[in-house]
Amino acid sequence: DGGITQSPKYLFRKEGQNVTLSCEQNLNHDAMYWYRQDPGQGLRLIYYSQIVNDFQKGDIAEGYSVSREKKESFPLTVTSAQKNPTAFYLCASSIVREKYLEKLFFGSGTQLSVL
Amino acid sequence: KNEVEQSPQNLTAQEGEFITINCSYSVGISALHWLQQHPGGGIVSLFMLSSGKKKHGRLIATINIQEKHSSLHITASHPRDSAVYICAVSPWDRRQGGSEKLVFGKGTKLTVNP
Repeated sequence: DGGITQSPKYLFRKEGQNVTLSCEQNLNHDAMYWYRQDPGQGLRLIYYSQIVNDFQKGDIAEGYSVSREKKESFPLTVTSAQKNPTAFYLCASSIVREKYLEKLFFGSGTQLSVL
Repeated sequence: KNEVEQSPQNLTAQEGEFITINCSYSVGISALHWLQQHPGGGIVSLFMLSSGKKKHGRLIATINIQEKHSSLHITASHPRDSAVYICAVSPWDRRQGGSEKLVFGKGTKLTVNP
């Protein structure tokens, strides 16, 4: 079955540590996204990528980094520069036609907490 | 003021009731999305619409572009409909046309009691 797989489901970070969240899709989608969800707030875009080896900052990119070496994979690294990393992180993918985002497919999310 | 406002924030209903969730937005858009997030956290896309009305099973989504307003209706609600329903819009960019980025509302938490 096609879909998006995020791992791990739960992740704990020690102070000063970088952690990487995995996101893999087998939907053959060009566009992939990372969102952050905090209680009581709407999803906020961290980074997005429309094509392999290219990505753009979203609204809250500071303290995060990404790579897009393969179409299927879009890992997110939460660096030690991100001072408030505790949140629920969602990866998504989509087809984009002529700048129009079509239906989004989401992973099941990763809950990141600080020890 | 958020670009996407949802109401109500929380909604409790009895099984079988007709439910309406509202979404208002303040920007020009190319499309509006309704999403469903279950307690486990995963999100499913329910509808994407740019005009008129769409129906899928017991769910109906409508949009009025002139009024900048959309509604999600659930007929004959059931406890398994309990979830957070999220409205998101694709802003219209004058230079580029559509946009790959969505602006999200804060969600409406629906609880349907048996």
